[in-house]
Amino acid sequence: AQRVTQPEKLLSVFKGAPVELKCNYSYSGSPELFWYVQYSRQRLQLLLRHISRESIKGFTADLNKGETSFHLKKPFAQEEDSAMYYCALSGHSNYQLIWGAGTKLIIKP
Amino acid sequence: DTAVSQTPKYLVTQMGNDKSIKCEQNLGHDTMYWYKQDSKKFLKIMFSYNNKELIINETVPNRFSPKSPDKAHLNLHINSLELGDSAVYFCASSQAGTSGGGEQFFGPGTRLTVL
Repeated sequence: AQRVTQPEKLLSVFKGAPVELKCNYSYSGSPELFWYVQYSRQRLQLLLRHISRESIKGFTADLNKGETSFHLKKPFAQEEDSAMYYCALSGHSNYQLIWGAGTKLIIKP
Repeated sequence: DTAVSQTPKYLVTQMGNDKSIKCEQNLGHDTMYWYKQDSKKFLKIMFSYNNKELIINETVPNRFSPKSPDKAHLNLHINSLELGDSAVYFCASSQAGTSGGGEQFFGPGTRLTVL
């Protein structure tokens, strides 16, 4: 079954500390993985996708097919990073993303 | 120049009423979606339309009926509203033919409160 698991509902770190938001997936083929972010009371927006292999707002994520993971990392957290983060997967269907439950990231001053 | 817009932004209504939420996208995308985000921020797909054709219809009560008059619009009508319908409803669009619909562009959300 296709599934995306974000094991942490809440992650709280201090400003300047490293951040890692975990995402594990279950999929039999070659999926495409995404991270979406939702700042307080705002719409969801794409943060990054694994095929781009780029860094956005200091965040990176590497697809690890062996561990079926796509963890989101940032070396030095900033207060403006506080938000809900969703990991999502797309597979065979051209129309549907499989979403994780989301992780709320709080950056403490 | 808003890409995906929804109206209304807030909707407060009594149990049993019927209400509609409208969504429009000016991105020229073929595919549109409705999502429900509950109080725990869990995001659940409800419906998806591709070129006005229903392609995803998740387990959603029959009280919810989507309507797509053209590929730029996807409206959501809800009959006999219940307390459990209170949530934020997001509309989204994407370009079909790319993986997972490619990047999905979201509207600002409609916060529905059923009293």
